[in-house]
Amino acid sequence: DAKTTQPPSMDCAEGRAANLPCNHSTISGNEYVYWYRQIHSQGPQYIIHGLKNNETNEMASLIITEDRKSSTLILPHATLRDTAVYYCIVRTVNTNAGKSTFGDGTTLTVKP
Amino acid sequence: NAGVTQTPKFRILKIGQSMTLQCTQDMNHNYMYWYRQDPGMGLKLIYYSVGAGITDKGEVPNGYNVSRSTTEDFPLRLELAAPSQTSVYFCASREQGASDTQYFGPGTRLTVL
Repeated sequence: DAKTTQPPSMDCAEGRAANLPCNHSTISGNEYVYWYRQIHSQGPQYIIHGLKNNETNEMASLIITEDRKSSTLILPHATLRDTAVYYCIVRTVNTNAGKSTFGDGTTLTVKP
Repeated sequence: NAGVTQTPKFRILKIGQSMTLQCTQDMNHNYMYWYRQDPGMGLKLIYYSVGAGITDKGEVPNGYNVSRSTTEDFPLRLELAAPSQTSVYFCASREQGASDTQYFGPGTRLTVL
């Protein structure tokens, strides 16, 4: 599975959009990009995933560049409860059971 | 559905003691995982299972053992606890299929003194 690079920390003002970048320059054609978040000491929570098209759900939007070497998770209207560690991982589904490497993620702090 | 449940929530062990961390899921997922998370760090995979009777090592398996006798349960065993095993342990599961969406339990905070 490809390795990802994320900034260690970011700040965002409450009510503004939070844009969290992730580099995955060695991603393969059959690898998906997944985003999870972990709110203070809780178990990680799935947010969204995509292959090459942009994706949106009730939590966030995922923008994947055309060359697929990077992506951005967008929280459109960040709230204080979005303060968490955000993990970007890439993996091939169905061919390998479980070797997702979470890395250290980005600590997002939403400020009032 | 209760999802993924873990017991205990907290535990303090003395060096050399043994214990089993319990993990149960009620979603009929084939795949289950154990991760550990040290303070300020990301998750590291300890062991995983693709179904009852099948387990395999992850990144950091030393000092741990697992078994998978049923689809629902995936216990993690520490035989001789060491201070280096002080960590938060998370269990997760996912269904077999196109999505890798993993569902995590609330974690077990283990301290070895």
